[in-house]
Amino acid sequence: DTAVSQTPKYLVTQMGNDKSIKCEQNLGHDTMYWYKQDSKKFLKIMFSYNNKELIINETVPNRFSPKSPDKAHLNLHINSLELGDSAVYFCASSQDNGQWASDTIYFGEGSWLTVV
Amino acid sequence: AQKITQTQPGMFVQEKEAVTLDCTYDTSDPSYGLFWYKQPSSGEMIFLIYQGSYDQQNATEGRYSLNFQKARKSANLVISASQLGDSAMYFCAMRGDSSYKLIFGSGTRLLVRP
Repeated sequence: DTAVSQTPKYLVTQMGNDKSIKCEQNLGHDTMYWYKQDSKKFLKIMFSYNNKELIINETVPNRFSPKSPDKAHLNLHINSLELGDSAVYFCASSQDNGQWASDTIYFGEGSWLTVV
Repeated sequence: AQKITQTQPGMFVQEKEAVTLDCTYDTSDPSYGLFWYKQPSSGEMIFLIYQGSYDQQNATEGRYSLNFQKARKSANLVISASQLGDSAMYFCAMRGDSSYKLIFGSGTRLLVRP
């Protein structure tokens, strides 16, 4: 069983469309994250939720909206997609609230988003 | 501010030899954690090893060990007996106790030659 699973793995869509990426973790973790990896492989955090509460909200366009229906799920919805949104989006989770330095983050397999 | 620096964009190593991937960091937090992740060509991010700033011994996980030198603010990853399957991107990352954020370095691409 995959610990952190996200769907879809590949997504090709046109500019202006709205799309969602779903994420689920079966590790019983309290905290979930969305990270973005750009074309240069640089990874940066976008959002983090702890027990359905938003605790990190980086400087991300308002077109990106995370939703956490429960602590095992964290979905990412993107409105009005732009070419620059093309990237790999990683969902991740960690045991505690992420405040402890030792709290290891486990990643999903990534979702490759291509906007054309 | 916290910062992770990986100065080696790419490296080669011969199969069965050991290789060291460099990582330096900067933080004002007295307590922090250092992590290494592997990203193979298939794209997933795989957690490899963790080192706490107050750990007395260097972390080891199988063929992976972390050469932690606190005074130099370095946390180099050592892979012993390299295998072809070790060819991947390797990312060093850090989190301090004052922040929820795990920040990453720019990565090192390792290629293992047969």
